[in-house]
Amino acid sequence: GQQVMQIPQYQHVQEGEDFTTYCNSSTTLSNIQWYKQRPGGHPVFLIQLVKSGEVKKQKRLTFQFGEAKKNSSLHITATQTTDVGTYFCAGQRAGSYQLTFGKGTKLSVIP
Amino acid sequence: KAGVTQTPRYLIKTRGQQVTLSCSPISGHRSVSWYQQTPGQGLQFLFEYFSETQRNKGNFPGRFSGRQFSNSRSEMNVSTLELGDSALYLCASSPGNTGELFFGEGSRLTVL
Repeated sequence: GQQVMQIPQYQHVQEGEDFTTYCNSSTTLSNIQWYKQRPGGHPVFLIQLVKSGEVKKQKRLTFQFGEAKKNSSLHITATQTTDVGTYFCAGQRAGSYQLTFGKGTKLSVIP
Repeated sequence: KAGVTQTPRYLIKTRGQQVTLSCSPISGHRSVSWYQQTPGQGLQFLFEYFSETQRNKGNFPGRFSGRQFSNSRSEMNVSTLELGDSALYLCASSPGNTGELFFGEGSRLTVL
């Protein structure tokens, strides 16, 4: 079955440092989505990428979708304490209604 | 617009019992997905329903079942509970085939 791998599992950064999480799928995806889950909360949608090589920005967050549509990354510039949480990627194959989540990267920001 | 509502929020059961969890999606959303979240395994897909039809099922034993009603509300049932079923069960709704999922707060199940 489809697998979505995400690294690293944990990341501790000093406030102001950058942060990147990487996502790799075992199969080609029709789209990839990113979610953020704050401690004690539920996953909240951040963005969806559809096109090969697509890059989208949301303020300090930059999302990329690989040319082969099998990998993606999320980069946060100058982390803040409000960025704390677990970031999940989730991939969907063409023709499937299932969204497969990676295991997430838990980000801690040291003030 | 009201969000996704899950009930109950917390429940404690003992091994061998069965449990039913409920999910009311956002008004107008016809797709409902269920996920099991545990610290070690992350978010694992259980099943997805659209207009009362199960379109996808994850790799869970037959003890896990679900259904969707004509008003798009969904329930999932776990029979013969095991200790390993302790988890946060998340329901998510979406308008259709692709696009973002809107998650509920989850139902936290503890099996003793």
